[in-house]
Amino acid sequence: EAGVTQFPSHSVIEKGQTVTLRCDPISGHDNLYWYRRVMGKEIKFLLHFVKESKQDESGMPNNRFLAERTGGTYSTLKVQPAELEDSGVYFCASSQVSGFSSYEQYFGPGTRLTVT
Amino acid sequence: RKEVEQDPGPFNVPEGATVAFNCTYSNSASQSFFWYRQDCRKEPKLLMSVYSSGNEDGRFTAQLNRASQYISLLIRDSKLSDSATYLCVVNRGGYQKVTFGTGTKLQVIP
Repeated sequence: EAGVTQFPSHSVIEKGQTVTLRCDPISGHDNLYWYRRVMGKEIKFLLHFVKESKQDESGMPNNRFLAERTGGTYSTLKVQPAELEDSGVYFCASSQVSGFSSYEQYFGPGTRLTVT
Repeated sequence: RKEVEQDPGPFNVPEGATVAFNCTYSNSASQSFFWYRQDCRKEPKLLMSVYSSGNEDGRFTAQLNRASQYISLLIRDSKLSDSATYLCVVNRGGYQKVTFGTGTKLQVIP
């Protein structure tokens, strides 16, 4: 079974540019999460989709970040315009729809974003 | 006070040793607890869920102490391949939002 995949694996952009990250969850996983790890800090929650609906976006840092999950399959996270402090590793995770196993999240390899 | 706290280490232990990590959490309403393992520049991988009764998976044992609000991970007979950062993850309930600790780095030495 394929795991969570993310694209691109690395992205280097200049301040002010736009970047779009993509996440494909494990097939059949309705829950999809975005996280970010800034260097030296812990992984922090950004938002949570259940199918195509945003269940919780309380972790989104500001309105420069826009996440979508049209059709309830893959998700995109757009940063526009990017700032230096947006640099970090962006992880996507997915989990099953219900039951205790819905709490067990499986992570993608991450996208390493560098804003210069 | 951080919501989830871990000793960052590093813990340097010889092969074959037993090592234990603790993680404390501040929200008494937390419902689910996990240990993840993260290798350098890789994604976190689920190691174990932590059940109220404690659970064991081979050389790994996880315990939960709700009264004192901490979870622990015990690794017996350490292997070189156990070298990694171990992340404590706590689910605060509701919509499965999780909070990560900063991780404890383990280095197993030959």
